[in-house]
Amino acid sequence: KQEVTQIPAALSVPEGENLVLNCSFTDSAIYNLQWFRQDPGKGLTSLLLIQSSQREQTSGRLNASLDKSSGRSTLYIAASQPGDSATYLCAVPDNYGQNFVFGPGTRLSVLP
Amino acid sequence: GAVVSQHPSRVICKSGTSVKIECRSLDFQATTMFWYRQFPKKSLMLMATSNEGSKATYEQGVEKDKFLINHASLTLSTLTVTSAHPEDSSFYICSYPKGEETQYFGPGTRLLVL
Repeated sequence: KQEVTQIPAALSVPEGENLVLNCSFTDSAIYNLQWFRQDPGKGLTSLLLIQSSQREQTSGRLNASLDKSSGRSTLYIAASQPGDSATYLCAVPDNYGQNFVFGPGTRLSVLP
Repeated sequence: GAVVSQHPSRVICKSGTSVKIECRSLDFQATTMFWYRQFPKKSLMLMATSNEGSKATYEQGVEKDKFLINHASLTLSTLTVTSAHPEDSSFYICSYPKGEETQYFGPGTRLLVL
């Protein structure tokens, strides 16, 4: 059974810092991995999608990497801003697309 | 155990028919819930936000008349794909927020329109 964990659970940094969020999954036979942003009381916003054949994806100040063999993904946020404050979740579907497993999330606070 | 259920888990239908997907919160009540869909090799994308007792709010590019959302109660919401076409084939997933920091996701429904 696939399990997804994320560390740290919470992170508070001053504005301008670069930071890394970590995601681990137990079953490396994943189809893809996604990173999402969740603002309080809102639906998820998709940030990056990495296919199983890819090693990283970049979008603006965000860079996500994927190492299937070790069951890890990282989300790198460069030059953090207060507007980046949110909860960040990673998720993987199983190979049948029948189940979606989300990590517990990392709650990020960027202080001005 | 699961806190959100979806039914059916998989459905195959002919083009032109309507399909109803149920999303049920098992352990708690929520006035707001979310519907998402994921096309093959694409990201999971928010479709709409549903509030009990009021009309759903749809994301840009999602047709409200095609994807009918009925937030019947604090524990049940339905998504009806009307006059389904092959391009509606997708993975549909719902979620219920608990507080402002946590969301519980249903297991998803795989829709295949022939």
